[in-house]
Amino acid sequence: GENVEQHPSTLSVQEGDSAVIKCTYSDSASNYFPWYKQELGKRPQLIIDIRSNVGEKKDQRIAVTLNKTAKHFSLHITETQPEDSAVYFCAANAGGTSYGKLTFGQGTILTVHP
Amino acid sequence: DVKVTQSSRYLVKRTGEKVFLECVQDMDHENMFWYRQDPGLGLRLIYFSYDVKMKEKGDIPEGYSVSREKKERFSLILESASTNQTSMYLCASSIGHNYGYTFGSGTRLTVV
Repeated sequence: GENVEQHPSTLSVQEGDSAVIKCTYSDSASNYFPWYKQELGKRPQLIIDIRSNVGEKKDQRIAVTLNKTAKHFSLHITETQPEDSAVYFCAANAGGTSYGKLTFGQGTILTVHP
Repeated sequence: DVKVTQSSRYLVKRTGEKVFLECVQDMDHENMFWYRQDPGLGLRLIYFSYDVKMKEKGDIPEGYSVSREKKERFSLILESASTNQTSMYLCASSIGHNYGYTFGSGTRLTVV
């Protein structure tokens, strides 16, 4: 089945710096890659996603890049703010008839210091 | 807004008890999922369902079963709770193969 590896497990930055979180996946048939943000005590929320027909997608201060050949994708957050502090999860869908099943990475705890 | 509602926020159960975790979604989504979340392990899929009465095992189904009698409701059952099932349980639903999930608020289960 699909395997998703996420790095780093923790990331500490100063306010205004950029943050990058990287994920690799194993199933070459995967074609959908969402990112979720989970604030303390809350449910994971979808913040951005990318499909395999696109190499990059941007939404204000966040962007995601996808390299299908290397089977990795990354989340980029620019001009970080304290409210960006949270756990971030990457995910990839399974190829074939998977009914939308997602495999998640282990999570990255991002701390933005004022 | 899609709403996914989990019936309990916190539960404390005794070892050996049968435990039911309920999840209801209000957007007519075909697919529903149960994950458990543990620190350092991310979210691991227990079971999922793609239609009424249809279910498939995820990556860690041992000790769990599920029920989907109505499209909007997906239940997770711990047949005989054990301490290693102490965890955060998250329910999610999605509209299809290439779409993200909407998660419920989670149920923090403690088995003593």
